[in-house]
Amino acid sequence: DGGITQSPKYLFRKEGQNVTLSCEQNLNHDAMYWYRQDPGQGLRLIYYSQIVNDFQKGDIAEGYSVSREKKESFPLTVTSAQKNPTAFYLCASSTVGGYTFGSGTRLTVV
Amino acid sequence: EDQVTQSPEALRLQEGESSSLNCSYTVSGLRGLFWYRQDPGKGPEFLFTLYSAGEEKEKERLKATLTKKESFLHITAPKPEDSATYLCAVEAGSYQLTFGKGTKLSVIP
Repeated sequence: DGGITQSPKYLFRKEGQNVTLSCEQNLNHDAMYWYRQDPGQGLRLIYYSQIVNDFQKGDIAEGYSVSREKKESFPLTVTSAQKNPTAFYLCASSTVGGYTFGSGTRLTVV
Repeated sequence: EDQVTQSPEALRLQEGESSSLNCSYTVSGLRGLFWYRQDPGKGPEFLFTLYSAGEEKEKERLKATLTKKESFLHITAPKPEDSATYLCAVEAGSYQLTFGKGTKLSVIP
């Protein structure tokens, strides 16, 4: 079945450490997105990519970085510059008229 | 700037008690309005896309409607398994989704 796979499901980060969240899709969608979800807040856009080797900042890109070397993959790195990284991270991909979401990665700072 | 406001923030219903969730929006050039269901600790699950005022879509106990300023998600005779957070989002000229904060629905047996 086609879909989006996010890994790991749970991730723990120490202070000052960079971590990378994986997102893979087999839907053949051109566009991919990363959202952050905090309790009581809507999903907020971190980065998005419309095509391979190109990506744009969303509303809350500071402290994050991405790459898009393959159509299927859009990894997100949470850097040490992100001061409040504890959140639920969602990856999505889209085609005309439809957005599909992964099952999320919960990142906790320890 | 695109804005989406959902109300109420939380809603408790008795099983079988019908109600509606509201999503009001301000966008330039609406391409589509999306409804998702999200269970705790999981990703949003697609429900409906509406494209133009007057459009309606139905799925089991859910019916979504759209006007030029808002959308409603009507829940008829809800069951406990309908308990979830319902998210509304709009897609405008930038080909990305802007979300509301969601409505947490609890259906009590």
